[in-house]
Amino acid sequence: DTGVSQDPRHKITKRGQNVTFRCDPISEHNRLYWYRQTLGQGPEFLTYFQNEAQLEKSRLLSDRFSAERPKGSFSTLEIQRTEQGDSAMYLCASSFGTMGSGNTIYFGEGSWLTVV
Amino acid sequence: GDSVTQMEGPVTLSEEAFLTINCTYTATGYPSLFWYVQYPGEGLQLLLKATKADDKGSNKGFEATYRKETTSFHLEKGSVQVSDSAVYFCAPLNTQGGSEKLVFGKGTKLTVNP
Repeated sequence: DTGVSQDPRHKITKRGQNVTFRCDPISEHNRLYWYRQTLGQGPEFLTYFQNEAQLEKSRLLSDRFSAERPKGSFSTLEIQRTEQGDSAMYLCASSFGTMGSGNTIYFGEGSWLTVV
Repeated sequence: GDSVTQMEGPVTLSEEAFLTINCTYTATGYPSLFWYVQYPGEGLQLLLKATKADDKGSNKGFEATYRKETTSFHLEKGSVQVSDSAVYFCAPLNTQGGSEKLVFGKGTKLTVNP
């Protein structure tokens, strides 16, 4: 396994611009998660997919945020009309099966977003 | 909703010192419990986990015991090393309504000096 891969690792954008992050999960992992981590805080859940179905979205995910996983493999997280408060690290994770049954969730190294 | 309270950091220790990082949680039912570690510039890595009461998770010399009666999952290591310097996160797993999400604490930064 090559691990969970995220791209880009760093992004600086001007307020009001749109940004898109990509996540490639570990091969054959059917569950994919997005979390957001701001400086000095723990990660906060945003959304997760089982295969291509988006099963849950946090209230943190405003209308400006959209996530997709079109073929049940890679996923994208788009932020429209970015605001300075969107500056954070966006973490992707994947697992095979449910965590509650003992499976492990693996995190990527994250995509840092800075909105100026 | 579920929440986690972790010991405030930063924590600074000398090499070979004993480490305890306290973690208590509030949750519905008895969730699986996890400790994750984040080394500088890296993503989160699973350190250890426990899936039911009285279970002890262990890895790399770290241990944590699932205490149902005190809703705690304190992390311990008998002798820390410089390479243990990182941020440690406690996280119960919320599975309400078929959901499956980790609820992270704020993290505790550990610095180990030679």
